[in-house]
Amino acid sequence: DTGVSQNPRHKITKRGQNVTFRCDPISEHNRLYWYRQTLGQGPEFLTYFQNEAQLEKSRLLSDRFSAERPKGSFSTLEIQRTEQGDSAMYLCASSLPTWGTEAFFGQGTRLTVV
Amino acid sequence: AQKVTQAQTEISVVEKEDVTLDCVYETRDTTYYLFWYKQPPSGELVFLIRRNSFDEQNEISGRYSWNFQKSTSSFNFTITASQVVDSAVYFCALSAVEYGNKLVFGAGTILRVKS
Repeated sequence: DTGVSQNPRHKITKRGQNVTFRCDPISEHNRLYWYRQTLGQGPEFLTYFQNEAQLEKSRLLSDRFSAERPKGSFSTLEIQRTEQGDSAMYLCASSLPTWGTEAFFGQGTRLTVV
Repeated sequence: AQKVTQAQTEISVVEKEDVTLDCVYETRDTTYYLFWYKQPPSGELVFLIRRNSFDEQNEISGRYSWNFQKSTSSFNFTITASQVVDSAVYFCALSAVEYGNKLVFGAGTILRVKS
């Protein structure tokens, strides 16, 4: 297992376009998280899944953002009608379902909205 | 209110110096977990250590050591004999029931180790 994989690594898009990112977690991990990190800040929680169920969404996740994990394996995060304020690093992490267990992160997708 | 505070924005040291990164957290829960992650320039957050609130024993792993003090709500991280490869951003994080069990990160400390 090579760890958490995210694609693409970089994405440049024009304001108003839609973008979709993919995350492949560690295979035996039931939990999958999305975080957003802006320059000079720590990652901020966006949403998480246990298997295919989306259990929590942050207030940061506006209605332009949607995440899915259709078969409890990979996940996608879509941003519709992108805005310049969406420019950030989007990080995916996965973990076992036990509370307090460490989460393993992917290398992230850096989004630039021009 | 910030739940995890890393007051040191950036620290620069010369190789072989010891360096301590501070972390102060805030939670009403009596059961919680604390973590340290390292983020090298490649961007991937690398897990370093996890500590639960009932285990105040300090831990040493090679050149790394961690000092957990519930009385001061601190979980500090010391690198002994720093090396250039230690240059990275280091994040302290908290997982507590009042925050929905997700990781809440501090703003990070940039560590620059010069040769």
